[in-house]
Amino acid sequence: ETGVTQTPRHLVMGMTNKKSLKCEQHLGHNAMYWYKQSAKKPLELMFVYSLEERVENNSVPSRFSPECPNSSHLFLHLHTLQPEDSALYLCASSQDAVGEKLFFGSGTQLSVL
Amino acid sequence: DQQVKQNSPSLSVQEGRISILNCDYTNSMFDYFLWYKKYPAEGPTFLISISSIKDKNEDGRFTVFLNKSAKHLSLHIVPSQPGDSAVYFCAASVNSGYALNFGKGTSLLVTP
Repeated sequence: ETGVTQTPRHLVMGMTNKKSLKCEQHLGHNAMYWYKQSAKKPLELMFVYSLEERVENNSVPSRFSPECPNSSHLFLHLHTLQPEDSALYLCASSQDAVGEKLFFGSGTQLSVL
Repeated sequence: DQQVKQNSPSLSVQEGRISILNCDYTNSMFDYFLWYKKYPAEGPTFLISISSIKDKNEDGRFTVFLNKSAKHLSLHIVPSQPGDSAVYFCAASVNSGYALNFGKGTSLLVTP
């Protein structure tokens, strides 16, 4: 069982669609993250959850809506996205949310048409 | 403004030789530095880290050097192996913060 699992691996959606990305961690960690990797840009932090509470929202547009129902699961709900939102979305977890090393999932490659 | 910079997008090294990947940062508050390695179609995996109280950390074939006065760190891989071919990301954080600041990555190719 891999440490951090993301589904789906690939997603193509239209601008009017609603979809969700799912992340599950099996490491017993207390913090979970969403990162975005666009082409030729560094990884950008989107959201951080610590013990199921959102502790950081890095100026992300409201068309991205995170949900953390428990410390093992993290969702990213998507609606009315724009083509420029096409990117690799990476979920990560860490023992605690204080600058610790992250364990990443394989990511969801999202294309918005 | 990007606080962590990896100015070499790619590097090619022969098997058995040393690979040196460089990283510069601008924020003097950074006190924890990490290197991640990423293969295609996989998420980044942690490789090695260093705290600002040290100037060197070694783990097998991988050594990270930190020069705080120059705000520069480097990752040395010796000897390089074809399986080391991947994208390497440098990251930095302030210990009390949540966010890791990443560089854009350097793609390393180790040729036989």
